[in-house]
Amino acid sequence: GDSVTQMEGPVTLSEEAFLTINCTYTATGYPSLFWYVQYPGEGLQLLLKATKADDKGSNKGFEATYRKETTSFHLEKGSVQVSDSAVYFCALGTSYGKLTFGQGTILTVHP
Amino acid sequence: EPEVTQTPSHQVTQMGQEVILRCVPISNHLYFYWYRQILGQKVEFLVSFYNNEISEKSEIFDDQFSVERPDGSNFTLKIRSTKLEDSAMYFCASSEGQGAAGANVLTFGAGSRLTVL
Repeated sequence: GDSVTQMEGPVTLSEEAFLTINCTYTATGYPSLFWYVQYPGEGLQLLLKATKADDKGSNKGFEATYRKETTSFHLEKGSVQVSDSAVYFCALGTSYGKLTFGQGTILTVHP
Repeated sequence: EPEVTQTPSHQVTQMGQEVILRCVPISNHLYFYWYRQILGQKVEFLVSFYNNEISEKSEIFDDQFSVERPDGSNFTLKIRSTKLEDSAMYFCASSEGQGAAGANVLTFGAGSRLTVL
């Protein structure tokens, strides 16, 4: 079945540091890939997505590239801010199915 | 920006009691979902709902669970007789189209935390 594996957290960084959160997946067919973010007290918000191989999703300075050859969708940001502190979820979705999530990675950014 | 709203934000209940979690999806969305996250574990799919019917459910969604769209705006999840292991954050979501790929995007609510004692 479909599955998503994220790097273990929590991740603690200083402001302006480079961020990578690794995500790999196993799926049949050609899924879409997503990063969702959950800020404290809020719902899961779509951060970015990619619908086919080699697509790059980007939003708010975050980027992730759909790599079919390595079955990965790593999240990156060149310079994190305190306001980026949140839980980040990698997920995959199929046309007639559900979202399958990774376990989430807690990011804390210190000033 | 349209949002999915969930109530209550936190509910504490005794084992064996019935619980109803409520959700107001985005008004022009046709597909509705419940997911849950047990503390420290992954967000898991429970059920999807379309045209007043369950379209897909996971093995977690047993006879203790039911969903309903009692009127034109609410979408509810009922747990008939809660167990300790039902303690989790429950997320409602809605989407315009079917599935979780391509142009279709699920919009999630903030969640309802259920604590079963």
